[in-house]
Amino acid sequence: GESVGLHLPTLSVQEGDNSIINCAYSNSASDYFIWYKQESGKGPQFIIDIRSNMDKRQGQRVTVLLNKTVKHLSLQIAATQPGDSAVYFCAESSGGFKTIFGAGTRLFVKA
Amino acid sequence: DAGITQSPRHKVTETGTPVTLRCHQTENHRYMYWYRQDPGHGLRLIHYSYGVKDTDKGEVSDGYSVSRSKTEDFLLTLESATSSQTSVYFCAISLQDWDTEAFFGQGTRLTVV
Repeated sequence: GESVGLHLPTLSVQEGDNSIINCAYSNSASDYFIWYKQESGKGPQFIIDIRSNMDKRQGQRVTVLLNKTVKHLSLQIAATQPGDSAVYFCAESSGGFKTIFGAGTRLFVKA
Repeated sequence: DAGITQSPRHKVTETGTPVTLRCHQTENHRYMYWYRQDPGHGLRLIHYSYGVKDTDKGEVSDGYSVSRSKTEDFLLTLESATSSQTSVYFCAISLQDWDTEAFFGQGTRLTVV
């Protein structure tokens, strides 16, 4: 069936290093992808999105890469800070109300 | 958090009792959603609304009902709570249909004992 998953459930990085969080998706019809950040006790917060007609999109300290050939999505965080510690999860959408969320990767930032 | 308020934030209830969770938005967004979040699972859609009195089922709608009598309020009701409905519930809103970012509330932690 359709699914969104993450390769690494936990990621630990040193403050100042770059972080890369990966996500695999299975629905080739998905045309819109989103990364969310969820801090403890809070709701998910939108980080960045990308449409299937793009390979890369940059935001402030974050970059999302989309590889449609292998159905892979990644989130890169530059110069990771302690405030980046959270659970990150990706979501894929094929339009309408068909959005599938991944279970998430927990990012730990070591000072 | 984008003008979304969920109430209550925490609730403990007994099996078999009815429970209603409320989502209130001040953004005038057309679309509203209820999700549940459980360990090991991604957010799963329970019900959604695309306008006043316009609602539809999501992936895990069994045991839940919703109502939307005003643009700003979306209610989720568990008619007879079961232990399997212990979860964290999130309300979300979006301006357009799902090809756009969603804004989430702070969540309601519900425990059914």
